[in-house]
Amino acid sequence: EPEVTQTPSHQVTQMGQEVILRCVPISNHLYFYWYRQILGQKVEFLVSFYNNEISEKSEIFDDQFSVERPDGSNFTLKIRSTKLEDSAMYFCASSERLAGYSYEQYFGPGTRLTVT
Amino acid sequence: RKEVEQDPGPFNVPEGATVAFNCTYSNSASQSFFWYRQDCRKEPKLLMSVYSSGNEDGRFTAQLNRASQYISLLIRDSKLSDSATYLCVVTHNAGNMLTFGGGTRLMVKP
Repeated sequence: EPEVTQTPSHQVTQMGQEVILRCVPISNHLYFYWYRQILGQKVEFLVSFYNNEISEKSEIFDDQFSVERPDGSNFTLKIRSTKLEDSAMYFCASSERLAGYSYEQYFGPGTRLTVT
Repeated sequence: RKEVEQDPGPFNVPEGATVAFNCTYSNSASQSFFWYRQDCRKEPKLLMSVYSSGNEDGRFTAQLNRASQYISLLIRDSKLSDSATYLCVVTHNAGNMLTFGGGTRLMVKP
């Protein structure tokens, strides 16, 4: 069964450093997403991406965040200057169509980011 | 007010029990509704979409009440493997953003 993959599974970084989280969405999917989940809290939407551009973003997704699809398979989330409060599990997801039409968003296993 | 509200639980039930979870959402423009399941430190996985007429998938039944902005999930004949956190999820338009509730934790015991 096709699945979303993410690397690394765990990333430890120092405050102020840049990190890039990587995702490989399911191959025939057109919509890509990043969500985060701070430990013990709910899953929060960050950004959605379609046709090589951001289609929607939340208030969390400020100027320190960026996304890119550098080639035909990878989808990345960059955090330019990490803060302690960026420590969370970051989930990548992809879908064939928009969730509003009840198309499932498939989630990857997540990258646990720890900022020290 | 939280956009999607759930009782965090935990709900501790014996195997074979029937358990029901409720969820309320604040945005009357919400369009699509889902129940996801999340195991400890794992990714959310879709359990079922929720339709206006209500729908059933095996031991799982979901109901939607748009007038009351209320969604429910009923699990019959609980199994040990049903132990997880159940996430109520809505979208506000025909768009992309899933809005998650905080989840309800279920623990099924032998």
